Amino acid sequence: LAKTTQPISMDSYEGQEVNITCSHNNIATNDYITWYQQFPSQGPRFIIQGYKTKVTNEVASLFIPADRKSSTLSLPRVSLSDTAVYYCLVALNSGNTPLVFGKGTRLSVIA
Amino acid sequence: GAVVSQHPSRVICKSGTSVKIECRSLDFQATTMFWYRQFPKQSLMLMATSNEGSKATYEQGVEKDKFLINHASLTLSTLTVTSAHPEDSSFYICSARGQGYTNQPQHFGDGTRLSIL
Repeated sequence: LAKTTQPISMDSYEGQEVNITCSHNNIATNDYITWYQQFPSQGPRFIIQGYKTKVTNEVASLFIPADRKSSTLSLPRVSLSDTAVYYCLVALNSGNTPLVFGKGTRLSVIA
Repeated sequence: GAVVSQHPSRVICKSGTSVKIECRSLDFQATTMFWYRQFPKQSLMLMATSNEGSKATYEQGVEKDKFLINHASLTLSTLTVTSAHPEDSSFYICSARGQGYTNQPQHFGDGTRLSIL
């Protein structure tokens, strides 16, 4: 399972764009990159997933360079409710492959 | 979207009690579910992989006789913490991915807060 490295914490003001970068130097050919958000006392919530290039959905964008050794989660115009822990995970997306969580990035959004 | 439901959301009980936590996939079938434990200010730690119709696979350091897992159907896995003690107090979370689906994310339940007095 590929190991991931993310900043431990980040601070941002409301309305700003936040970019969280994750390093995964030993990502395997068939691995996907997935980001989750977790609020206190709740289970992780799926944000976005990608394999290469750029993926965008209604809440975030995911940028993956050609070598796939890193990825960047971009949150546009964050609000106070985006304060949470964000996890980057790299794994083969088959039914019986578990996700192994790293420490995640604690994002604090300030008014 | 896919939903995973956990029950109960919170349990408070005396030391020595056995506690059962249910994890259900509500709109998809899951031959495999996963159980995690999370202590305060820490990340999720994988405990075991629950396989429908067969024995669970436990991570190193997780006692299989302490944490009994049963996956009797394609939509239900249960975790029983036997003879729970205060050190078992934690946040337990399950997850699942749809059967036969590849390139699909895992979905997580909202967790069960277990407090042993």
